[in-house]
This record gives sequence, structure tokens and C-alpha cells, in this order.
Amino acid sequence: QKEVEQNSGPLSVPEGAIASLNCTYSDRGSQSFFWYRQYSGKSPELIMFIYSNGDKEDGRFTAQLNKASQYVSLLIRDSQPSDSATYLCAVNKGAQKLVFGQGTRLTINP
Amino acid sequence: GAGVSQTPSNKVTEKGKYVELRCDPISGHTALYWYRQSLGQGPEFLIYFQGTGAADDSGLPNDRFFAVRPEGSVSTLKIQRTERGDSAVYLCASSLKAGPYNEQFFGPGTRLTVL
Repeated sequence: QKEVEQNSGPLSVPEGAIASLNCTYSDRGSQSFFWYRQYSGKSPELIMFIYSNGDKEDGRFTAQLNKASQYVSLLIRDSQPSDSATYLCAVNKGAQKLVFGQGTRLTINP
Repeated sequence: GAGVSQTPSNKVTEKGKYVELRCDPISGHTALYWYRQSLGQGPEFLIYFQGTGAADDSGLPNDRFFAVRPEGSVSTLKIQRTERGDSAVYLCASSLKAGPYNEQFFGPGTRLTVL
């Protein structure tokens, strides 16, 4: 079992709809959870982080964390073509390193 | 302020050669990380520095890989006797300080191709 698992996609969503990206992790001791967006040929860009159970909203983005189920998700409301990218879920391992999933490729269709 | 910078952006080398990849973190960030990303995969941790010392090098694949950060700012990742399997994008990240609640910010990466 991989430490962090994501559906690789591609996930196709119509413009204006809600995109839902999911991630599961295996280490119950994980404390911090990050979502990075990566455009093709570019480096990962941090868009959200969450540390506590529940929801955290920032603009059109909402991160959701359920530690009991070892599940973290990212919702993107009012999806735009510019949201088309690969979304990487990352989970801390110990104090200093992040473990990444393989990423979910999201395509927003105009 | 400026983000994390990495040089070169691209490096093509021949099998068996030595390469150095440089990372300049965000000013004031004390923690620095190196990751490697292969096509279609997420980044994989290589090594972490807190200040000048390598606090965790558990991700380095073998002893051909080495990294330094002599003055606690710029870091250099060194790869000896490169192999074709070393081809990947090498990403550097920095954070204000170490710890699980500190966000890591990535540089643009160095794409290494070993022929």
C-alpha cells in the first residue's frame, strides 16, 4: 500500500461545476496535509494546507480532512479552464519531509 | 520577495559524468529540502537541511548522491557517476523553519537528462 494514494485520473469536469479531488494516507500519525497544483512542465505550487479535522475554505478552494478515515479532499468550486492541472496531495512524515501522492490530472472543459 | 531559485534549469550530461545542481532558498528560510520527480509521479524526498547540517538524508538513493549547505543558505546537490536512471526533475523547496506545520515552497526545478 502506498503511503499517500490518489486517483491518477484524468478527471474531467465542466466549467463552472465543482471538482472533487480525493486522497487517502496510511500513517495515522500524520499531522499536516497539503494540496499542491502543478501545471505541465512547472513545479508544484502550494494552494491549500489543513491541520485539523473539518473544512478549511480559501476562495474557491475548500480542503476537507477526516483523520479517523485517513482521508483528505480538495473541492474547487466554479471550476475554470485555468484550474486544469495536476493536483498533488502531500502528507508530512515526521517533522521534515513530505510524502506525495502521484497526483490527479484535472481537466476543466469549457 | 524572490522565491526559491534553482540553476541550471536544464542539464544534459553523459552517463558516468559528475553534475552539480544549485538551490537558493527564500531569504530567511532556515529549512531546505531536495526532492526528485519522475514523469507521472509525485515528488520523492531526498534530503533535508536545517541550517548547515543535513538533518535527514534518508531519501538519497545511494552514495553517488551528496548534498551540502555550507553557510546555511545556498545548497548544492552533487551526483557522481551519473546513470540514465538519474534522469528526472530535481526540485528544491524551503520553509521558514522545520516542523510539520511549516509550508514548503518549491523552486522551478532542474531537469536532468543523462544520455
